Amino acid sequence: DVVLTQTPPTLLATIGQSVSISCRSSQSLLHSNGNTYLNWLLQRTGQSPQPLIYLVSKLESGVPNRFSGSGSGTDFTLKISGVEAEDLGVYYCMQFTHYPLTFGSGTKLEIK
Amino acid sequence: QIQLVQSGPELKKPGESVKISCKASGYTFTDYAMNWVKQAPGNGLKWMGWINTQTGKPTYADDFKQRFVFSLETSASTAYLQINNLNIEDTATYFCTRPTDYWGQGVMVTVSS
Repeated sequence: DVVLTQTPPTLLATIGQSVSISCRSSQSLLHSNGNTYLNWLLQRTGQSPQPLIYLVSKLESGVPNRFSGSGSGTDFTLKISGVEAEDLGVYYCMQFTHYPLTFGSGTKLEIK
Repeated sequence: QIQLVQSGPELKKPGESVKISCKASGYTFTDYAMNWVKQAPGNGLKWMGWINTQTGKPTYADDFKQRFVFSLETSASTAYLQINNLNIEDTATYFCTRPTDYWGQGVMVTVSS
């Protein structure tokens, strides 16, 4: 199975600060069809996960543009440019280039 | 709007079975596969598998090939997850999901003697 390693496990940020979360894959996530099926989700406390970004860098509808995704192959990054209070929660990367679908271990964003 | 609405929390004893539901609305049910994801308390997300909503064929991830059953009631746009012979390690929240875009609210299943 593809292992997705997220760092850091916990992130402490002040409002307005820019932060980045890394997601490293044990295998390249480039599919033979040319797509890279790496998504990012946010799970707020007590809620179900909410998709933020798909295909590495495309924002889901309604997601603020302070969120951005980048990367290729095995290294991916989620950046939040100017953290807001509503951004706290656990961020997961998810891949479905390879079977089975797997999730990263999560990064908990806490607000100072 | 698109929604996946799941059934309510369950409290079961070891050895019992549980069947939880996921009702889809706002889209054609058979156009999208339904996936199931487990989240143990304080833990991350684990993909359990998926069911083809056109054929009813389930596919189970390796850790979920025993005791777990995915099924459908297509006429009601509803997917089901049944867990047989429950044990303490099955205590978790179970989500139905179209993982790339929509998630149910989750069902907390507690297994305790």
